[in-house]
Amino acid sequence: KAGVTQTPRYLIKTRGQQVTLSCSPISGHRSVSWYQQTPGQGLQFLFEYFSETQRNKGNFPGRFSGRQFSNSRSEMNVSTLELGDSALYLCASSLGQGSFYEQYFGPGTRLTVT
Amino acid sequence: AQSVTQPDIHITVSEGASLELRCNYSYGATPYLFWYVQSPGQGLQLLLKYFSGDTLVQGIKGFEAEFKRSQSSFNLRKPSVHWSDAAEYFCAADLEAGGTSYGKLTFGQGTILTVHP
Repeated sequence: KAGVTQTPRYLIKTRGQQVTLSCSPISGHRSVSWYQQTPGQGLQFLFEYFSETQRNKGNFPGRFSGRQFSNSRSEMNVSTLELGDSALYLCASSLGQGSFYEQYFGPGTRLTVT
Repeated sequence: AQSVTQPDIHITVSEGASLELRCNYSYGATPYLFWYVQSPGQGLQLLLKYFSGDTLVQGIKGFEAEFKRSQSSFNLRKPSVHWSDAAEYFCAADLEAGGTSYGKLTFGQGTILTVHP
């Protein structure tokens, strides 16, 4: 079956702009989590959605937001981009909530802010 | 503070040699523990996981890991490394009771594995 899909794969934006990233989970998966990966901070949890509701949120400013649609697809939005937002953004989907369910990761979206 | 630590940033081994990647966690109870591998341009792939029970867990690609409560460690091992194992390896933990962090895994900084022929 198809894996987690993230679009676009690469993105270049200018400081101050906003950006929307998309994640399509594995069919049947209802939980989607987002992570930011940078060389300096490593992998950091952004937020998790289940049944269109945000269930958990990491320690990121309000410029980072997300949502989940009824088909479990998820988007994350970053407003007023800063240079430090340059990162690989990974999404992961799982069948249910809780770590008992394996998280399957997508290939990520590489965001570069200039 | 609750955290996951991978002491080794970079490890180099020869093909065919054994491998051990270290992982320590700081948490008041036994967390759910995971090892992931990331190849360049790829997402993360789960190698193995530990929830409870037998402290030696087997994973994919010939990897195993041992949980040691007394040392707060969950080290990854492989008896004979192949060139295709070259990648970055991440230890992760769910630092909420009963694995109920709702998607939030705490990751170590990663260990880059280089394999020499």
